[in-house]
Amino acid sequence: SAVISQKPSRDICQRGTSLTIQCQVDSQVTMMFWYRQQPGQSLTLIATANQGSEATYESGFVIDKFPISRPNLTFSTLTVSNMSPEDSSIYLCSVWLPNTEAFFGQGTRLTVV
Amino acid sequence: TQLLEQSPQFLSIQEGENLTVYCNSSSVFSSLQWYRQEPGEGPVLLVTVVTGGEVKKLKRLTFQFGDARKDSSLHITAAQPGDTGLYLCAGEGTYKYIFGTGTRLKVLA
Repeated sequence: SAVISQKPSRDICQRGTSLTIQCQVDSQVTMMFWYRQQPGQSLTLIATANQGSEATYESGFVIDKFPISRPNLTFSTLTVSNMSPEDSSIYLCSVWLPNTEAFFGQGTRLTVV
Repeated sequence: TQLLEQSPQFLSIQEGENLTVYCNSSSVFSSLQWYRQEPGEGPVLLVTVVTGGEVKKLKRLTFQFGDARKDSSLHITAAQPGDTGLYLCAGEGTYKYIFGTGTRLKVLA
C-alpha cells in the first residue's frame, strides 16, 4: 500500500497568483499522477509525473500553466500558475501500484477569488 | 481512446432501497475497479474484478464484471446513509488509470 500526504488541504488565493501543492509518498513509486476534480464529479487527469524526466500532460493542460516537479521517487509538486476563478477546484495527487490499486492524497481544495 | 461511462450520474434514494450503478466501455479491460469517495477525501478502493463474468460481494455490495470485460455493475442492497458518496469505476489504461464519469449517490434516512 501507499500513504500519501498532500498539502495544503485548502487555500483561498487571489487571481493572478500561483499556488504550489506538495505530495509526499511513504514509499518509492515510479509514476505519480495529478488530477483535478470538480466537487461531486469524476477525476480529470492533468499530468503524469515521472522521476528524472519531464511530466506528460493530458490534452488541455500545459506545462506553463501547471508546472510539475518530481525531484525523487517519493515527492512531487504541482503549481497552478497565474490563477483565475476557473482554476477553483480540488486537486489530487495519486500513485498507482500496477496490478494493485490507485492511492490518493486527501486533496487540495483551491478557491480563486 | 478508452472511456468508461457510468450511469446514472446521480441517484437519490431512501434508506432500505436497492440500486444498481453501471459502468460501460467499448474497450476491453484486463480488470476493473470500483472506488468510493467521500467529501474531503480521496477515492478508496472497494473491489477489483478480473475475470469475465466474475461476481464479488462486499457485505451489501455486489460487483459484477461483464463476460466480455467491457462493463461492470455495482448493486447495493438495502442502502444506508453511510453508502452516500461518489462511486467511480476505473480501469488500467496505458501507463495511467482511466476513471469513469462517476455516480453520485445520496441515501436519505
